[in-house]
Amino acid sequence: IAGITQAPTSQILAAGRRMTLRCTQDMRHNAMYWYRQDLGLGLRLIHYSNTAGTTGKGEVPDGYSVSRANTDDFPLTLASAVPSQTSVYFCASRLAGDPSYEQYFGPGTRLTVT
Amino acid sequence: GQNIDQPTEMTATEGAIVQINCTYQTSGFNGLFWYQQHAGEAPTFLSYNVLDGLEEKGRFSSFLSRSKGYSYLLLKELQMKDSASYLCAVMDSNYQLIWGAGTKLIIKP
Repeated sequence: IAGITQAPTSQILAAGRRMTLRCTQDMRHNAMYWYRQDLGLGLRLIHYSNTAGTTGKGEVPDGYSVSRANTDDFPLTLASAVPSQTSVYFCASRLAGDPSYEQYFGPGTRLTVT
Repeated sequence: GQNIDQPTEMTATEGAIVQINCTYQTSGFNGLFWYQQHAGEAPTFLSYNVLDGLEEKGRFSSFLSRSKGYSYLLLKELQMKDSASYLCAVMDSNYQLIWGAGTKLIIKP
């Protein structure tokens, strides 16, 4: 793989179910991020990780959890999905020390909670 | 509070020039970004400005005025493939990005 990948591409999920969205990058980037994107709103940060073994809460963390066991993987878990979590989810990564602070985005996961 | 404002939608003609404005109020400032996002795709990086002034990169230029809390993205010689949403984002004091809702640019032949 090259870059950053996400799985699944899309998913329809019943409310109350547990779901993990996967994110993997092979660029050895230190920092990783999870955003959600909703129509009419900007991207909103859910959780982030500045380096393997550490995580932090973003603007909208409630109902979501993350882990960062290694550099490459940053899964996002919805413990008990609710319809308001219907959104497009983007994972992103960034290399510490990059003077442009550019974030590289995965292709996204479109999640519908019914 | 933190706020990023940009127009919801703009229309321009192929071959012309368009300027997309962005104003911001954030807790701290560590730079301003422009990203391009085609429908159904991921955002891709266009520019990063941390100092005042104009930065040119091919057909795209980005301007920043920190004292005015203002930036614009200038697209020249518009092509049909430039039809996309353009996202303005500011890196705050915690080095996290605060995003505007995006400007949908429609290019007409």
